[in-house]
Amino acid sequence: QSALTQPASVSGSPGQSITISCTGVRSDVGTYTLVSWYQQHSGKAPKLIIYEGGKRPSGVSTRFSASKSGDTASLTISGLQAEDEADYFCCSYAKPSTVFFGGGTRLTVL
Amino acid sequence: EVQLLESGGGLVQPGGSLRLSCAASGFTFSTYAMSWVRQTPEKRLEWVSAISGSGNTPYYADSVKGRFTISRDNSERTVYLQMHILRAEDTAIYYCAKSTVVGPMRFDDWGQGTLVAVSS
Repeated sequence: QSALTQPASVSGSPGQSITISCTGVRSDVGTYTLVSWYQQHSGKAPKLIIYEGGKRPSGVSTRFSASKSGDTASLTISGLQAEDEADYFCCSYAKPSTVFFGGGTRLTVL
Repeated sequence: EVQLLESGGGLVQPGGSLRLSCAASGFTFSTYAMSWVRQTPEKRLEWVSAISGSGNTPYYADSVKGRFTISRDNSERTVYLQMHILRAEDTAIYYCAKSTVVGPMRFDDWGQGTLVAVSS
C-alpha cells in the first residue's frame, strides 16, 4: 500500500454537501485497514474528525460522516458552514505499523 | 485536557543532528502510544515514527529508518525524537501526537508543532 490520492481542492456553498475522496486504501486478505480523517485550519495543527472509518470523536459535528467502498474512502460534510473551510487529510493504518496520509484537499466555502 | 508541547526544533546543516522533545499532560501518558508526524513545506503530512506506551516497541517510516530514534520517559511524561544524518527533505513542522493504547492507528491529539529546517 502506498500514498493515498485526494483531490487537490473542492468547493461548495453554505448549506450544501460536499464529498472528499481518498483513493488507494487497500486491504489485503487477512489484514485490516483503518481510515481516519483530519481537519486543519490555516496555521493550526490537524484535528481528528473521523476514525475507524466512520466514528466521530466527542465534540465533532454530526455534519461530518465517512464511508468506504473498495479502495476508496470518502468524507462527506453536510450543511456546509464557513467554519468548515480548511484542509482535509485522510489517513490509513494497516498492521503492524503502516501509516499513510493523503495529499490533502483544500475545501473552499463559497 | 490533553496538552502536548514540542520543543527542540531549529536550523541545522545537512548531515547534522537534532533532538525533539514532547512534554505531555492531561492523560495517563504511559498507557498510550505516541507518534511524530511531520508536515512538509508543501503541506503534505507524513507519519514519521511511533512508540508503544511501555516504550518497548518503536515504529518507523521507511524514510527515516536507521537515522531517527524514538524514545520516551514515562516518569517525565516526555517523548523524544533523535534525528541524525538530516537531509533537506526532512525540513518540516514536526508534530507530536497522542495515538491509541494499541498503536499508531490514529492521532487523537496534536501539539502545536516545532519547525525543523535543514539547510546549509
